[in-house]
Amino acid sequence: GEDVEQSLFLSVREGDSSVINCTYTDSSSTYLYWYKQEPGAGLQLLTYIFSNMDMKQDQRLTVLLNKKDKHLSLRIADTQTGDSAIYFCAEARGSTLGRLYFGRGTQLTVWP
Amino acid sequence: DADVTQTPRNRITKTGKRIMLECSQTKGHDRMYWYRQDPGLGLRLIYYSFDVKDINKGEISDGYSVSRQAQAKFSLSLESAIPNQTALYFCATSESTTGSHQPQHFGDGTRLSIL
Repeated sequence: GEDVEQSLFLSVREGDSSVINCTYTDSSSTYLYWYKQEPGAGLQLLTYIFSNMDMKQDQRLTVLLNKKDKHLSLRIADTQTGDSAIYFCAEARGSTLGRLYFGRGTQLTVWP
Repeated sequence: DADVTQTPRNRITKTGKRIMLECSQTKGHDRMYWYRQDPGLGLRLIYYSFDVKDINKGEISDGYSVSRQAQAKFSLSLESAIPNQTALYFCATSESTTGSHQPQHFGDGTRLSIL
């Protein structure tokens, strides 16, 4: 299909790891992004990965990219209540420079 | 001060009214975008502009128009508002470097309610 797919909800306990999954559409996509949206705020760029990479780690965040399956994941280690937010996956498709295509967002709820 | 500023932050209006949402940026970016967000639907692109003389329709441009008054300003208009245009609207900007890392930077949004 044409859509970037994400599951809508994820709940985890504080201190556990969270894994948010995304399936994108274009095997020639160059960059893939994760954005975070807190209540009442705009989207904040969290991290990104270039398509020639398999993994990128940035403090508590680990991004894994499986190009064969067009699957992207975001792992948050030691999840805190402040990580509760909506997380959006986005792809920069090779054929449409400058545009980003967003998934519907995953609502992460962290329980104390 | 925010790099991408949207005004107003909230607006309630009536069906049939003309509405303008404004966006200004201090990032010096050439590219600007308007999105709407509806619960469970993610972000959908309304219009985008790659420079002052360039305007392009996105996925859902019907019922909307835009004006790129300057590099730093991009406004979105609803000529005759209807209730199903009630949503959260976001402006975003990005650099124009072709083929390289071009993340978009978002404003805090305008919550628009049409009665």
